[in-house]
Amino acid sequence: GENVEQHPSTLSVQEGDSAVIKCTYSDSASNYFPWYKQELGKRPQLIIDIRSNVGEKKDQRIAVTLNKTAKHFSLHITETQPEDSAVYFCAATLAAGYQKVTFGTGTKLQVIP
Amino acid sequence: SAVISQKPSRDICQRGTSLTIQCQVDSQVTMMFWYRQQPGQSLTLIATANQGSEATYESGFVIDKFPISRPNLTFSTLTVSNMSPEDSSIYLCSVSRDQEETQYFGPGTRLLVL
Repeated sequence: GENVEQHPSTLSVQEGDSAVIKCTYSDSASNYFPWYKQELGKRPQLIIDIRSNVGEKKDQRIAVTLNKTAKHFSLHITETQPEDSAVYFCAATLAAGYQKVTFGTGTKLQVIP
Repeated sequence: SAVISQKPSRDICQRGTSLTIQCQVDSQVTMMFWYRQQPGQSLTLIATANQGSEATYESGFVIDKFPISRPNLTFSTLTVSNMSPEDSSIYLCSVSRDQEETQYFGPGTRLLVL
């Protein structure tokens, strides 16, 4: 089955700096990669996703890049703000019918004002 | 995205008892799932709730411990049976629509077993 590794487990940045979270996956058939943000005591919420037919996707201060050959994808947050502090989970799945979504282990991001 | 609610939002239970968690969606969805999230951990899929048939369980989870019902396309329940302190966790339902890969999560149920 799919295995998703996520690094780092914790990340502290100064407000205004950039944050990068990296994930690798094992199943080359996986073709859909969502990212979720989970604030303390809240549900995971989808913040951005990417499909394997594109290499990069941006949404305001958030971007995701995908390298299919190397089987890794990354989340980039620019101009970080204190409200970006949360746990971020990457995930991978095969978008064909229903396939199990495999989540990474999570990254706790702390943005220091 | 769908509006998803869960009941109860939290509970404290005695060991040996059972708790049933409800997940309600405001519109029909194809897929419903149940996850467990232990403190400080990632999301672990317990099972896929299938409408009109038995749930599909992941390795390490069994029907006797986590019976699941899904009587229609907007509602599902997860029961945590014969609870022990190790069952203390957050239980989340998620849904996805037909032809969509994206899963959306309910607010979760925080369970503490004493």
